[in-house]
Amino acid sequence: DAGVIQSPRHEVTEMGQEVTLRCKPISGHNSLFWYRQTMMRGLELLIYFNNNVPIDDSGMPEDRFSAKMPNASFSTLKIQPSEPRDSAVYFCASSHLPGQGNEKLFFGSGTQLSVL
Amino acid sequence: GNSVTQMEGPVTLSEEAFLTINCTYTATGYPSLFWYVQYPGEGLQLLLKATKADDKGSNKGFEATYRKETTSFHLEKGSVQVSDSAVYFCALSDRIQGAQKLVFGQGTRLTINP
Repeated sequence: DAGVIQSPRHEVTEMGQEVTLRCKPISGHNSLFWYRQTMMRGLELLIYFNNNVPIDDSGMPEDRFSAKMPNASFSTLKIQPSEPRDSAVYFCASSHLPGQGNEKLFFGSGTQLSVL
Repeated sequence: GNSVTQMEGPVTLSEEAFLTINCTYTATGYPSLFWYVQYPGEGLQLLLKATKADDKGSNKGFEATYRKETTSFHLEKGSVQVSDSAVYFCALSDRIQGAQKLVFGQGTRLTINP
């Protein structure tokens, strides 16, 4: 199993530019999560999907952030326009749906985003 | 709401020392409890879990016991190795919603010196 795959691993961009982060969940997992990790705020849940449908986006910081999941094997997190305070490591994670007997969350290796 | 409080880091130990990382929680009902570990440059991965009171989770020499009376889930290891250097996260989830409602602590950075 290839695990959760994220791209790019590193992204450096200038303030005001659009940034798109990509994620491929583990095959067979129907829940997908986007997290952000910073030194100041720790690990924050931004949004999650069940069966490609956004369920809770209350963690999305503001309208500059948007996430989509057009199919079961692909999701994007977009920041437009980006700002220096968006600099962080962004993780994608996937799991089985609740009630399927496995609560384990599988994380990708993350995208290190630096906005200059 | 549910919350997790972890021992503040960083924690620095010598190889073969005994490790304890404290974790306490606040939750309604009976949550499941987890320890996740993040090695440098990687995402978090599940280390161990416990789903009911008095359960002991264990993996790779690490152990944690679900203590309902003290609302704690402290992580322990009898003899740490340099390869255990990582950030450790305590977490809880609603038993019904599972990973959907995972709440993480702030993480504790552990460094083991040879």
